Amino acid sequence: AQKITQTQPGMFVQEKEAVTLDCTYDTSDQSYGLFWYKQPSSGEMIFLIYQGSYDEQNATEGRYSLNFQKARKSANLVISASQLGDSAMYFCAMRTRDMRFGAGTRLTVKP
Amino acid sequence: EAGVVQSPRYKIIEKKQPVAFWCNPISGHNTLYWYLQNLGQGPELLIRYENEEAVDDSQLPKDRFSAERLKGVDSTLKIQPAELGDSAVYLCASSADRGLGNTIYFGEGSWLTVV
Repeated sequence: AQKITQTQPGMFVQEKEAVTLDCTYDTSDQSYGLFWYKQPSSGEMIFLIYQGSYDEQNATEGRYSLNFQKARKSANLVISASQLGDSAMYFCAMRTRDMRFGAGTRLTVKP
Repeated sequence: EAGVVQSPRYKIIEKKQPVAFWCNPISGHNTLYWYLQNLGQGPELLIRYENEEAVDDSQLPKDRFSAERLKGVDSTLKIQPAELGDSAVYLCASSADRGLGNTIYFGEGSWLTVV
């Protein structure tokens, strides 16, 4: 069975600092995709970054990077130089046959 | 390119009434998903379509929920009769196909309140 775990219900970070949002997963599949989405208070789910299970290098997209540790089954999201607009819910997701989501982490960026 | 379009954006109904949500996926996307998101939680898959075929509906409460995607494009999700516990956001999403690396894109959601 697939399981996505986000252990941080809420996180705070000072503006311009970096923050790491944790995500661990469990699957018996060898091939899978890992995703992070951002959900502002308006409700839309915004795709941020993708990592394939066979990708050897960590994915990066602008200020977002994914710290992929396959042996530990973790896929943490790192946001560098936090901005006030980064305040939102962040969801980790894994795709095998379908896409399953974690419970999310609420990030608050302080000015 | 237009994103995933959902309607209505907001809906308030009395319990035991029916409600329907409509979704138009991104053009050319063969895979369509309906997710349920309760407040403060992650989305939970209700049903997945590959073209017009429902290939994963194990989480859909079939006693009151139904969905269709007749021509493999638009989709409708229906609840009849609605219960108080159905108050949630119903998210539609689509992807080019079910390839692992294909991003799933979401609509803005349909916010349902059952009173």
